[in-house]
Amino acid sequence: EAQVTQNPRYLITVTGKKLTVTCSQNMNHEYMSWYRQDPGLGLRQIYYSMNVEVTDKGDVPEGYKVSRKEKRNFPLILESPSPNQTSLYFCASSRLAAYEEQYFGPGTRLTVT
Amino acid sequence: GQQVMQIPQYQHVQEGEDFTTYCNSSTTLSNIQWYKQRPGGHPVFLIQLVKSGEVKKQKRLTFQFGEAKKNSSLHITATQTTDVGTYFCAGPLSGDMRFGAGTRLTVKP
Repeated sequence: EAQVTQNPRYLITVTGKKLTVTCSQNMNHEYMSWYRQDPGLGLRQIYYSMNVEVTDKGDVPEGYKVSRKEKRNFPLILESPSPNQTSLYFCASSRLAAYEEQYFGPGTRLTVT
Repeated sequence: GQQVMQIPQYQHVQEGEDFTTYCNSSTTLSNIQWYKQRPGGHPVFLIQLVKSGEVKKQKRLTFQFGEAKKNSSLHITATQTTDVGTYFCAGPLSGDMRFGAGTRLTVKP
């Protein structure tokens, strides 16, 4: 089954404790991205990747890091999480670029206290 | 900065009534996408519009892309309870993908 998976689905952590949210897709897609969703603000893009070893900042990259060492994986790293990063995070992928149909993962709800 | 704006933020309708959500961009878009997110779920792609003035239909859903490619709309005819969710438009701006804030639709049976 073609899908995007994320782990963990739920995470509660404390300020400053490094964390990684994993994202994997099995569709051989070139393009992957991370979004955060906050009430009233919709989905905002954090980082995206056009291909292996190629990543670019989205609209709200501050406080986040990503890597793309393999085509299928695109982890999101919070080196020192803060409460304002409490949000619902979605990973997405598309065949070649953002302007194509994007497939979203199930989401990761992160709470930073 | 460049934005994609969407109205209304909320819409509550009686089952059987029509529903429309509107999307406006500050700049011309090469294309626009529409997604639906059910409560507790993730966004699911509905459609992409590319051509100026394009109109596409999916059963009771009608999507339009404006002549200037700066606005779009989604119209649902005779809403059903299965239409409940948040509808987002999205377009490529400044190299990344910009989503509207979404319109949350609730339907009273």
